[in-house]
Amino acid sequence: NAGVTQTPKFRVLKTGQSMTLLCAQDMNHEYMYWYRQDPGMGLRLIHYSVGEGTTAKGEVPDGYNVSRLKKQNFLLGLESAAPSQTSVYFCASSPKTLQIDYGYTFGSGTRLTVV
Amino acid sequence: AQRVTQPEKLLSVFKGAPVELKCNYSYSGSPELFWYVQYSRQRLQLLLRHISRESIKGFTADLNKGETSFHLKKPFAQEEDSAMYYCALSGFRNTGTASKLTFGTGTRLQVTL
Repeated sequence: NAGVTQTPKFRVLKTGQSMTLLCAQDMNHEYMYWYRQDPGMGLRLIHYSVGEGTTAKGEVPDGYNVSRLKKQNFLLGLESAAPSQTSVYFCASSPKTLQIDYGYTFGSGTRLTVV
Repeated sequence: AQRVTQPEKLLSVFKGAPVELKCNYSYSGSPELFWYVQYSRQRLQLLLRHISRESIKGFTADLNKGETSFHLKKPFAQEEDSAMYYCALSGFRNTGTASKLTFGTGTRLQVTL
């Protein structure tokens, strides 16, 4: 049982390049999330999805796009990378629940550097 | 709007000393509170949830609605407790949909001999 898997683990981009980060979960979770982690700022929500084919903006969505064509996958795209997008990106998932919030299962993160 | 505040960036304690990591929140409703831990070069993992009233690895946290706090405590620190700790809040009970956790900025706990 792999849980939440993120690829790639590391990437260096030049300013203006594009890339896609892949998140895959095998727990049949309904909800998926993308966060970025920056020193002194904690984790901030970029985009999230409440189900296949649906996405929504989080706290810091500018410069990013997402897609959830399959329930198990959540893709984060950077169309034109900027140095301000240098960060560690975490994907997470959680089950749909009516009564109790079970919290997230996180991926291992992608360390992205934009030069 | 929901907000989580962790006032300490770094907390350094000696092995065997008590630990208290502070977390205060702002939320107009019934929040769900969590503590997550990130050990060096590892992914974040759930440590405990307030609703479970559990003790994990000797850590406990009590939700104090009057003081809007959810401090994490452990009576005797161990070296292996050294990590980054994040407090997080969910408005699930009010929205009934995806958690959308709001995280604090984190506190690094450093346990020294």
